[in-house]
Amino acid sequence: EVHLVESGGGSVQPGGSLRLSCSASGFTFSDHYMDWVRQAPGMGPEWVGRIRNKANSYTTDYAASVKGRFTMSRDDSSNSVYLQMNSLKTEDTAVYYCVKRMGTSYFDYWGQGTLVTVSS
Amino acid sequence: DIVMTQSPDSLAVSLGERATINCKSSQSVLYSSNNKNYLAWYQQKPGQPPKLLIYWASTRESGVPDRFSGSGSGTDFTLTISSLQAEDVAIYYCQQYYYTTPTFGGGTKVEIK
Repeated sequence: EVHLVESGGGSVQPGGSLRLSCSASGFTFSDHYMDWVRQAPGMGPEWVGRIRNKANSYTTDYAASVKGRFTMSRDDSSNSVYLQMNSLKTEDTAVYYCVKRMGTSYFDYWGQGTLVTVSS
Repeated sequence: DIVMTQSPDSLAVSLGERATINCKSSQSVLYSSNNKNYLAWYQQKPGQPPKLLIYWASTRESGVPDRFSGSGSGTDFTLTISSLQAEDVAIYYCQQYYYTTPTFGGGTKVEIK
């Protein structure tokens, strides 16, 4: 059974940093692209970024709203994916979900999410 | 980015009746090389993450009841719940995964009348 468990959320002041972690199990992690999707309170989901697998050189893509501030990385030896968030803004306040992608297509499994609150 | 527009924003349906949710993309999500529509539907209940219901516009995910069905092609898509059950109360989102930046619709809240 697939499990995705996020950690690292919390409260931070504008301009601060946080690092989110996601621990995966139940599938061959190294084969798969992984994404982060966030959801602000009362809003729909918003894609944040993706990291490809080793076969695709671990390349990354980001939403325009976070590009240059957020960085994704992964460690296939520990089945983990990370989201380093710098220069945080109040509009980054959201639940952040770690998401497994089926191939290069749809999102088939989601973690329970971790809440990030950016406020002064 | 591709804009996904859902309608209605909310609907209330009697138990056992049909619920229909529409989703329109600002550009086609039909890939002509494989004739697949890169469109998924998700269900989200309060306090839970979204759950995959439908992918490739009409393929039901394993374990999803057959009262859920997806249809449409190109830019216009529909999610139908043929006989609404109490456990179907949720917000439903469409999402395109054709383009580099996946985008979601604004959601449709389904309630019991």
